[in-house]
Amino acid sequence: EAGVAQSPRYKIIEKRQSVAFWCNPISGHATLYWYQQILGQGPKLLIQFQNNGVVDDSQLPKDRFSAERLKGVDSTLKIQPAKLEDSAVYLCASSLDLGTGELFFGEGSRLTVL
Amino acid sequence: KQEVTQIPAALSVPEGENLVLNCSFTDSAIYNLQWFRQDPGKGLTSLLLIQSSQREQTSGRLNASLDKSSGRSTLYIAASQPGDSATYLCAVNAGKSTFGDGTTLTVKP
Repeated sequence: EAGVAQSPRYKIIEKRQSVAFWCNPISGHATLYWYQQILGQGPKLLIQFQNNGVVDDSQLPKDRFSAERLKGVDSTLKIQPAKLEDSAVYLCASSLDLGTGELFFGEGSRLTVL
Repeated sequence: KQEVTQIPAALSVPEGENLVLNCSFTDSAIYNLQWFRQDPGKGLTSLLLIQSSQREQTSGRLNASLDKSSGRSTLYIAASQPGDSATYLCAVNAGKSTFGDGTTLTVKP
């Protein structure tokens, strides 16, 4: 069974530029999550989808971050414009169902903002 | 708001020791608790998932326990090996998962 796929693995941009990250969850997993992990800290939830609907985006900085999950499968997370403090690893995870399922993570996308 | 704390932040032990990692949480109304391992520059690998109705789960040399009433979980690692060196994170799921900041384990040969 293929795991959670993410790309790109690494991205370096200048502040005020834009960047997009892509995630393809495990086949059949209805719930998809985007987390931000700053060095030395645990992951922080940015947004949670159930199929193609948003369940929780309370921690998403909506003035600069956006995410979509068209057709309820893969998802894109965009940052525009990027700030220095956005430097982090962006992790995508999926689970079979909402709330009770086991989380499976991708390898992450490491963003450096200069 | 759920808060998750992992103590200690770092731990160094000689190979062969048995050890316990701790995870505490503030809200006991949870669906499950999951332990992960993270190697440098990598994503999170699931180790054990304990549902709220369970008291413990075992996988090989790993044993995780859950005490909802006291808001605590422990991850027991038996006969530690250098390959166990990594950061261990717990995530508490109450509809969405809240993570601790992890314990970085170093097992010295």
